[in-house]
Amino acid sequence: DSGVTQTPKHLITATGQRVTLRCSPRSGDLSVYWYQQSLDQGLQFLIQYYNGEERAKGNILERFSAQQFPDLHSELNLSSLELGDSALYFCASSVAGRPGGGDTQYFGPGTRLTVL
Amino acid sequence: AQSVTQPDIHITVSEGASLELRCNYSYGATPYLFWYVQSPGQGLQLLLKYFSGDTLVQGIKGFEAEFKRSQSSFNLRKPSVHWSDAAEYFCAVVRISSGSARQLTFGSGTQLTVLP
Repeated sequence: DSGVTQTPKHLITATGQRVTLRCSPRSGDLSVYWYQQSLDQGLQFLIQYYNGEERAKGNILERFSAQQFPDLHSELNLSSLELGDSALYFCASSVAGRPGGGDTQYFGPGTRLTVL
Repeated sequence: AQSVTQPDIHITVSEGASLELRCNYSYGATPYLFWYVQSPGQGLQLLLKYFSGDTLVQGIKGFEAEFKRSQSSFNLRKPSVHWSDAAEYFCAVVRISSGSARQLTFGSGTQLTVLP
């Protein structure tokens, strides 16, 4: 158990809908990251938040957005869903407090999104 | 831009045999390197990491990896594979853009099958 929790575990929805994925980081971690894992794209970085502020952005679609709340949990919002958005969405957390230093990202169990 | 290459999509070994999974990276600065393992239906578990210092790093479950700067490689090894090691293995490098900004770039993964 990494200490990172994600809800829900599974989500089935229809095209055009909007869903929210939730992540709670490990105790003490200030950074939250979102990744998407799909068969055709592999594991791709979406976005990072550090202490409530966006810090890094990857290949995140405009239909997707995220935020990190004062209690440090994060939500990933996916809207106008398409069939191709079906994937496993991972949240990870790390301390990320040391400028320029390496730190370790610990991953949650993921949310499997199926868009029908 | 950073990149990670795992040349072997699928490897099959017999239980008790030795294992080496290859990973090559491309990164302009000092790399921070990771190996993660993903069992079916599970999240990503950290096996080991390299930040600096000794180029041979030990991880969990009897795994080790060697960082070779001259070859831009970070290969994962295990002297004797167990049936429970069957999983998908991902090599990753973290990009540090500024301050606390981080993002992991993953390889495409190597699927390990273990024969009895």
